[in-house]
Amino acid sequence: AQSVTQLDSHVSVSEGTPVLLRCNYSSSYSPSLFWYVQHPNKGLQLLLKYTSAATLVKGINGFEAEFKKSETSFHLTKPSAHMSDAAEYFCVVSLFSGGYNKLIFGAGTRLAVHP
Amino acid sequence: NAGVTQTPKFRILKIGQSMTLQCTQDMNHNYMYWYRQDPGMGLKLIYYSVGAGITDKGEVPNGYNVSRSTTEDFPLRLELAAPSQTSVYFCASSNYDRAHFGSGTRLTVV
Repeated sequence: AQSVTQLDSHVSVSEGTPVLLRCNYSSSYSPSLFWYVQHPNKGLQLLLKYTSAATLVKGINGFEAEFKKSETSFHLTKPSAHMSDAAEYFCVVSLFSGGYNKLIFGAGTRLAVHP
Repeated sequence: NAGVTQTPKFRILKIGQSMTLQCTQDMNHNYMYWYRQDPGMGLKLIYYSVGAGITDKGEVPNGYNVSRSTTEDFPLRLELAAPSQTSVYFCASSNYDRAHFGSGTRLTVV
């Protein structure tokens, strides 16, 4: 069965310090992996995606993620947090199953950034 | 390019009332989805469609209905609203590469 586990429901960092949001996945197939961000009362915005090309993926706003097949992980990082990064982050696995493009969401990680 | 447009943004319903959440996309995507998001949870799939005239149930379809008469539109219908349907609803469309989400509908059933 396919699943996505976000290991932290809440992460709190100080502005200017590194961010690490952890995601592990379980998939029988080679998945596509995404990180989406949701700011308060907004829709979901794509941060970055992995689709079996380079294992280190760069996204928008200085975020990047590394696909590690041996660890079945796709952790999201940013070297220096900004106040505007405070939001909910979702790790998503995408695979073609049962005739449609199936998206499996993690439960989300809420990132708080303190001055 | 508007992307995925959802209306309304907010709605309060009384128990037993019905309503339709509208969703339109202008990217000519075949795949469209309805999700609900409850506090502290990820998104749960309600219904999906792989093209005009084709719909199927997701993880949590009870209490909802959908139709897909055109590629662009994918409305979600609540026939008899219940408090358990209080949630934020997201419509999405996708190709094989990524999903595009609407800004959501916050529904409260009282």
